[in-house]
Amino acid sequence: EAGVAQSPRYKIIEKRQSVAFWCNPISGHATLYWYQQILGQGPKLLIQFQNNGVVDDSQLPKDRFSAERLKGVDSTLKIQPAKLEDSAVYLCASSSILDRVNKDTQYFGPGTRLTVL
Amino acid sequence: AQTVTQSQPEMSVQEAETVTLSCTYDTSESDYYLFWYKQPPSRQMILVIRQEAYKQQNATENRFSVNFQKAAKSFSLKISDSQLGDAAMYFCAYRRSTNAGKSTFGDGTTLTVKP
Repeated sequence: EAGVAQSPRYKIIEKRQSVAFWCNPISGHATLYWYQQILGQGPKLLIQFQNNGVVDDSQLPKDRFSAERLKGVDSTLKIQPAKLEDSAVYLCASSSILDRVNKDTQYFGPGTRLTVL
Repeated sequence: AQTVTQSQPEMSVQEAETVTLSCTYDTSESDYYLFWYKQPPSRQMILVIRQEAYKQQNATENRFSVNFQKAAKSFSLKISDSQLGDAAMYFCAYRRSTNAGKSTFGDGTTLTVKP
């Protein structure tokens, strides 16, 4: 079974530029998550989708961050414009309540390391 | 709001010995999940072990086991017969069991394994 795919793996941009990250979850997983992980800290949930609907985006800085999951499969997270404090690893994860072995457990992608100069 | 606290930023263990990583959490819910994740330097987060709060029996996965104390809201991870490949950052995570359950992670414990 293929895992969660993310691209790009690394991105370097200057402040005020825009950037987009892509995530393809495990096939059949209805729930998709985007996390921000700042160096030395645990992941912080930015947004959670159930199919193509938003379940929780309470910690998403909506003035600059946006995310979509139009067809209920892959997802894009965008930052526009980027700030220095956005430098972090952006993790995508997916889960399924139908997972027989680990019901509702999140499986993570490799992450995208963003550096804002 | 739920919080997860890992009070040990760093731990070290000698190869083949046992180490315990601590985690406490705060919640008013009665039904939830608890997880330990491992994040090696490559940064891929991997599930180590999972516990459902309604189960009294502590979860075990090979050399990894937990001590789940629901009343004390404590969820520690024990790694037996530590191996060099166990070196990583370990995160404790909490999640409500509802369909829209939000996950909360601790800030992690960096485990060093000495040969």
